[in-house]
Amino acid sequence: DSGVTQTPKHLITATGQRVTLRCSPRSGDLSVYWYQQSLDQGLQFLIQYYNGEERAKGNILERFSAQQFPDLHSELNLSSLELGDSALYFCASSVGRGAYGYTFGSGTRLTVV
Amino acid sequence: GDSVTQMEGPVTLSEEAFLTINCTYTATGYPSLFWYVQYPGEGLQLLLKATKADDKGSNKGFEATYRKETTSFHLEKGSVQVSDSAVYFCALIRGDDKIIFGKGTRLHILP
Repeated sequence: DSGVTQTPKHLITATGQRVTLRCSPRSGDLSVYWYQQSLDQGLQFLIQYYNGEERAKGNILERFSAQQFPDLHSELNLSSLELGDSALYFCASSVGRGAYGYTFGSGTRLTVV
Repeated sequence: GDSVTQMEGPVTLSEEAFLTINCTYTATGYPSLFWYVQYPGEGLQLLLKATKADDKGSNKGFEATYRKETTSFHLEKGSVQVSDSAVYFCALIRGDDKIIFGKGTRLHILP
């Protein structure tokens, strides 16, 4: 157990729907990062939050949004889902600047049918 | 921009063989370097790290040395096991703490 908790582990939904993925960071970690992993694109950085504020944005689609709450858990919202959004979504956390590495959760596997 | 390049896989070896997975990077400043491992059906786990030039990271028999002169961080293991079969990611963290991953190298170890 890495200490980073992601729920749900698996999600199957239809095109056009909206889903919410949840991440609880490791105790004491202030930064949360979201990544998308697909077979053809590898690991894609989506977005980072630090202590409730957005800190960095990567290749995140406008249909996707995220937030970090006062208790530091984070949610990634995916809307108007398309078949191509099927992927593994990982959350990672770090204490601060992440210079000593991130701790990853076990991911949420999203399948859009 | 900053980037990480690692050898393409899959890499297939027999048990007890010597392993090298090449990784080179392009970055401004002095990044920290990492190897992560992803076992089937799991998330990424930090395998080892090095935060400055000439540092050697090591864990579970794996080693990698931060070579600034060749901008490399090659992963090595003297004798691999079937249980080492996984995907290995080389990564760097810049001063702004954004991590940049390589595309990953899939390793298959045959018994």
